[in-house]
Amino acid sequence: EAGVTQFPSHSVIEKGQTVTLRCDPISGHDNLYWYRRVMGKEIKFLLHFVKESKQDESGMPNNRFLAERTGGTYSTLKVQPAELEDSGVYFCASSQPPDTQYFGPGTRLTVL
Amino acid sequence: GEDVEQSLFLSVREGDSSVINCTYTDSSSTYLYWYKQEPGAGLQLLTYIFSNMDMKQDQRLTVLLNKKDKHLSLRIADTQTGDSAIYFCAVWGGYKLSFGAGTTVTVRA
Repeated sequence: EAGVTQFPSHSVIEKGQTVTLRCDPISGHDNLYWYRRVMGKEIKFLLHFVKESKQDESGMPNNRFLAERTGGTYSTLKVQPAELEDSGVYFCASSQPPDTQYFGPGTRLTVL
Repeated sequence: GEDVEQSLFLSVREGDSSVINCTYTDSSSTYLYWYKQEPGAGLQLLTYIFSNMDMKQDQRLTVLLNKKDKHLSLRIADTQTGDSAIYFCAVWGGYKLSFGAGTTVTVRA
């Protein structure tokens, strides 16, 4: 069974540009999460989908971040416009049931 | 939110035991996890423990939970070079995980 996949693995963009990250969860997992690790610090929760609905987006830093999960399958996280402090590793995770989350390899975002 | 604290670095000799410690603040947490991140890879779920347990053993891994002190530890027996990685403690609360900053374990020959 395929694990959680994320694309791209790395992205380097300039401040002010837009970037879209994609996550494909494990097939059949209704729960999908986004997390972020900045500057070697702790991994922080961004948001949680149940199928296509946002269950909790309390961790989203600001309105420059937009997450979607069309049809309850894959999810995208768009950052527009990107700022320097958005640099970090963005992880996606999925679970079914909700208690054990399986993570993808992450997308390393560098904003110059 | 939940605060999770870990020491940042641990150096251990190959063949010795490693002990990674973690403290947390939310006593209502029901599941506690250890994840491993190898260089260039994602987060791999190593093991987890329910809050009503004191200990869980899984091959070379032993997890100890002291709920009174809100202290979680991971012991790796017979540490190997392949155990070099970042280890994250995580606490589950209301669907989301709260992580520590990660402990970088370096195994020296």
